[in-house]
Amino acid sequence: KAGVTQTPRYLIKTRGQQVTLSCSPISGHRSVSWYQQTPGQGLQFLFEYFSETQRNKGNFPGRFSGRQFSNSRSEMNVSTLELGDSALYLCASSLGTVSYGYTFGSGTRLTVV
Amino acid sequence: GQQLNQSPQSMFIQEGEDVSMNCTSSSIFNTWLWYKQDPGEGPVLLIALYKAGELTSNGRLTAQFGITRKDSFLNISASIPSDVGIYFCAGRSTTDKLIFGTGTRLQVFP
Repeated sequence: KAGVTQTPRYLIKTRGQQVTLSCSPISGHRSVSWYQQTPGQGLQFLFEYFSETQRNKGNFPGRFSGRQFSNSRSEMNVSTLELGDSALYLCASSLGTVSYGYTFGSGTRLTVV
Repeated sequence: GQQLNQSPQSMFIQEGEDVSMNCTSSSIFNTWLWYKQDPGEGPVLLIALYKAGELTSNGRLTAQFGITRKDSFLNISASIPSDVGIYFCAGRSTTDKLIFGTGTRLQVFP
């Protein structure tokens, strides 16, 4: 059974640019969540999607957005990149509610220069 | 953003020793999860707890869901070198968000 797949693994972008990250959940999982991980702030919740609808949202500015497709694949977009957006972006999928526990992908390491 | 208080922040122990770490919150949680993260990888689920007072084991790992629903602990017995990594607690809030702890970095020396 394939795990959660995130692409790309590494990305370098320039300030002001935008970026799109992709996440393919485990087959059959309908919930996809995104987290930002930095050394100083730990794992911060960005948003969660279930059946193409955003179910929950963290405290991030509007530059961070996401969507989920009918096949449960999800994308996350960050516009007008800032240096502070450099982080490991983790995607996690779940069967349904959080109580099932999340299975995480290996993440996308974004560096903004 | 919201985070759980996890302690200790880091631990340096000798192989064979037992390890204990805990997580506390000012809010009630409905589910507690414990994850381990290796360098360059995403966190991996170790143990899930669903009821206050629940004590669950997974091999050498044991975790408990606090009676007050505001805390949880994780014990690792007879540590081995592959236990090295960062351990995170996570709690499901009443708004159904999964909130993570600040992490405990574990280093095991032979």
